[in-house]
Amino acid sequence: GAGVSQSPRYKVTKRGQDVALRCDPISGHVSLYWYRQALGQGPEFLTYFNYEAQQDKSGLPNDRFSAERPEGSISTLTIQRTEQRDSAMYRCASSLESEGGYNEQFFGPGTRLTVL
Amino acid sequence: GIQVEQSPPDLILQEGANSTLRCNFSDSVNNLQWFHQNPWGQLINLFYIPSGTKQNGRLSATTVATERYSLLYISSSQTTDSGVYFCAVFRLNTGNQFYFGTGTSLTVIP
Repeated sequence: GAGVSQSPRYKVTKRGQDVALRCDPISGHVSLYWYRQALGQGPEFLTYFNYEAQQDKSGLPNDRFSAERPEGSISTLTIQRTEQRDSAMYRCASSLESEGGYNEQFFGPGTRLTVL
Repeated sequence: GIQVEQSPPDLILQEGANSTLRCNFSDSVNNLQWFHQNPWGQLINLFYIPSGTKQNGRLSATTVATERYSLLYISSSQTTDSGVYFCAVFRLNTGNQFYFGTGTSLTVIP
């Protein structure tokens, strides 16, 4: 019955460091999404998985960003060589079915990333 | 992508007042969700409403898919309703993502 969880909740890092953000979706949910939200804006899509397959990564801003979901459950979003412009709230969501079915998305609490 | 516009951008209400928030979208959609982002940053699901009308307590929502808009009604507002309300839409074959509006920031004063 647990919801989507994310860790860490807050991450402060220095420019140039790598960071890994974790998402644990609702048990049994097929699809998992990553979004990024800037202050005062709505979430913007980064990437999406069905089971372990990355179906769409069109929203990843550049090749420093990558994501994986190796066993079709927990996912990790990795940002290499962080830059100050990467500072944002990173949100993960999961849905029971994929885009052709019932795809109501449920969001985790987010990870607030600050790059100094 | 799909453009999603929400209005008004900001709203201040006296406790007990009613309000209507609007979401317009630029293309036909298969799914639509309303969320409440509370002051602690959590995104709470309010409605999953691709069409028709739903009610949940003091909140109700109506989506008129053919006219490309959705409305969220808040009645007898409470201070705990404060936060940002987001509309998000999804359309098959335009990327497997929900497109979010910029939100309506609601402040309910006692």
